[in-house]
Amino acid sequence: DAMVIQNPRYQVTQFGKPVTLSCSQTLNHNVMYWYQQKSSQAPKLLFHYYDKDFNNEADTPDNFQSRRPNTSFCFLDIRSPGLGDAAMYLCATSRVRNSYEQYFGPGTRLTVT
Amino acid sequence: DAKTTQPTSMDCAEGRAANLPCNHSTISGNEYVYWYRQIHSQGPQYIIHGLKNNETNEMASLIITEDRKSSTLILPHATLRDTAVYYCIVRAPNNAGNMLTFGGGTRLMVKP
Repeated sequence: DAMVIQNPRYQVTQFGKPVTLSCSQTLNHNVMYWYQQKSSQAPKLLFHYYDKDFNNEADTPDNFQSRRPNTSFCFLDIRSPGLGDAAMYLCATSRVRNSYEQYFGPGTRLTVT
Repeated sequence: DAKTTQPTSMDCAEGRAANLPCNHSTISGNEYVYWYRQIHSQGPQYIIHGLKNNETNEMASLIITEDRKSSTLILPHATLRDTAVYYCIVRAPNNAGNMLTFGGGTRLMVKP
């Protein structure tokens, strides 16, 4: 039973060409997160939504934006991808805001050419 | 947040117990210990968490020392599918930053 779904699993985009990654959840959780994980590194939080309240991490570049049109869906927009943005992008959810029991999707691996 | 220290890698024989240590000597009284794992090409998976008492669930056991400065995650009968990076995370549940900060983790290799 899929709980956190990310599409596509693999995405190729060109340098500077905007790209959108999507995440959906069937858990009805209030909080959704986006993480970036570069090769051989640990995941790093970019931002999260608590319901419709957007919370950006201090060191997340302006190039990264997010939208959450409803409870089930959350999007990661990269306005002008650079070669350094190639990474695995992980979506996660949690039931409540301060929960560290997060449920992760399988990730989208982004390649920038 | 309390910093955690984990060995970079460990090996374990299939069917044997895997004991993964984590040091968190600067842990505060209200900070919990969380364990996640990440199997290759998958997202991280929550395993277990605890405050001071030992905890057990269907996946693993968590043993926290009395002074709470270290803990051990135990996989009682490791299988090949348990090969993954295991992350030990210490965090206060009401921290306004709400960040789940992953450190380097331990790469566990379960061998036949």
